[in-house]
Amino acid sequence: DAGITQSPRYKITETGRQVTLMCHQTWSHSYMFWYRQDLGHGLRLIYYSAAADITDKGEVPDGYVVSRSKTENFPLTLESATRSQTSVYFCASSTSRWVSDTQYFGPGTRLTVL
Amino acid sequence: AQSVTQLDSHVSVSEGTPVLLRCNYSSSYSPSLFWYVQHPNKGLQLLLKYTSAATLVKGINGFEAEFKKSETSFHLTKPSAHMSDAAEYFCVVSDMGSGFQKLVFGTGTRLLVSP
Repeated sequence: DAGITQSPRYKITETGRQVTLMCHQTWSHSYMFWYRQDLGHGLRLIYYSAAADITDKGEVPDGYVVSRSKTENFPLTLESATRSQTSVYFCASSTSRWVSDTQYFGPGTRLTVL
Repeated sequence: AQSVTQLDSHVSVSEGTPVLLRCNYSSSYSPSLFWYVQHPNKGLQLLLKYTSAATLVKGINGFEAEFKKSETSFHLTKPSAHMSDAAEYFCVVSDMGSGFQKLVFGTGTRLLVSP
């Protein structure tokens, strides 16, 4: 049972380049989320998706684009990477929108923008 | 808006001694609360969650947490620390965003366990 996977696990890129981080889940969960983790901030929500073709902004969406053409995939694209986007990115999924539901996290992608 | 405050950025214990990681929350209604653990270079794993059932919640690996509404606290405890418990721990409160479950994370507590 693969669960939720992210690729690549590590990425180094340069300022101004486009970068896409992949997220894949095998549970057919409806909801998927992208977070970034920075020192002193915990995790902050970038974008979320309630189902295929339904996405919306979270707390820190600027500079990011998402899509969700299939339930199992939720790629995150940095259209023109900036140094401030150096971070660890986590994808998560859950079955429902209820406050008591559990979000399951992927292993993360460590992105460095030079 | 919901928020959580983890009162210690670092906690150091010796192996075999009790662990206490403190978390206070702010909520306008009865919240759902979670503790997640993150081992080095790994993703986040759910330890336990409170969803308005029993106030004492038992989780994996011997951890438990007690929901105290009067103190707005949800502290994480373990009777006896193990070396493998060394990790970062996040207290999380769940809120209803615009039609989705919004998790609000604390800034984390790093647990150090010495032999």
